Formats: sequence, C-alpha cells, structure tokens
Amino acid sequence: EIVLTQSPGTLSLSPGERATLSCRTSQSVSSSYLAWYQQKLGQAPRLLIYGASSRATGIPDRFSGSGSGTDFTLTITRLEPEDFAVYYCQQYGNSPLFGQGTKLEIK
Amino acid sequence: QVQLQESGPGLVKPSETLSLTCTVSGGSITNYFWSWIRQPPGKGLEWIGYVYSRGGTNYNPSLKSRVTISVDTSKNQFSLRLTSVAAADTAVYFCARLYSATRGIDYWGQGALVTVSS
Repeated sequence: EIVLTQSPGTLSLSPGERATLSCRTSQSVSSSYLAWYQQKLGQAPRLLIYGASSRATGIPDRFSGSGSGTDFTLTITRLEPEDFAVYYCQQYGNSPLFGQGTKLEIK
Repeated sequence: QVQLQESGPGLVKPSETLSLTCTVSGGSITNYFWSWIRQPPGKGLEWIGYVYSRGGTNYNPSLKSRVTISVDTSKNQFSLRLTSVAAADTAVYFCARLYSATRGIDYWGQGALVTVSS
C-alpha cells in the first residue's frame, strides 16, 4: 500500500515569500496521477494542480507543481494573504489517497 | 457551473447506518467518477470511494466492508451508505466529482457534518 508523506507539517512564512511543499510517496507513482489541493478553514478543498504539474482552471501562475517518481513539490512564489491554508497532495493508484497535509501559516 | 450539494441526517446513533445523498446540478452526472471523501474534525482528508456513472465502484479498502455508493442518473444524484457507524465515523462528508485519474477532483460539495452519538 502506497503512503504519501507531506513535509513540513507546518510552514511559517510571510506574504511575498516563496513556499516549497513536499510530497513523498512510499513507492514510485506515475506523475500523471498526482494532484494538489488547497483547503481553507471551513471550506471544501480546491484543486490546484493535476498530473503533477498542470494548473487547474483559474489557478494563478504563482502556483506550480513538479516532480516524478517518489518526490513531488508544490511551489508558491510570492505568497499572497489568501494562500495561507492547508495543502494536500493526492495520488490515484488502485484507489485515491491523500497525504496528511501541510499547513501554511503566516509568520 | 457544476454544483454539488450533500443532504442527509446530521446525527446518527452508534451501530446504525449513515446515509447521505449528493445532488448534482449544472451538468450531467454521466461519464465521471462520483466520490465521497470525509474529514474528521481537525484532521486530514480520507477518500471513502467512488461510483462511476455507469455503476462501477471502488472503495477504500479500510472501509470496504461497510460502504455502499450508488448512483441514480435519472435524478442526477449519488448516495453513500456506511453501516455500523461508531464515534470514529464522525466527520464532515464531502461529495465530489473525480474528473478522471489524471485530472483530479475538480468539483466539491460544501460538506455535511455527520456526528455519531447516542
């Protein structure tokens, strides 16, 4: 069974800074099946990235995804106040699976 | 614009069955994978399972023995049944559209809190 491990658990940054979030899988997965979501408090998650690097409709270009094999990264350049939220990676294998999340908080 | 709305009881007694329905509006229910995902208070997301519009299903192995997800294309609805619930099943339950394995979950309902308590 594949396990997704996100790091760090919490990331404290200031608006305008760059955020780098990691998602590692316990075994190699196809990048086609790796997605990232943003969830704000009290809201449903929102799809940011699919296929490891393709931005979903309406997602600003400050969000980018990369990676392959077992290591995947979500990068947010120039953090905006509305970017502070929890981020989840998700992999579709035999069944979809989420990482435990990274909380991006204002420093 | 596709919209999803969960409905069902907000309180279920232990050992009973949790039942939720998701109504899809603004688009057809055909040709997608309709999913249920839950989130215990203060915790992360857990995928429960999905039903394809033509009826095939895929469930989280850890819940498989207790879960049934079905679709009613005539009503543009799909449903979740979770049997023998316990306090650990207390969560916000989201219905969502999995566009495809490679395109992710692109539409979500607002979520429905279901509490398991006597």
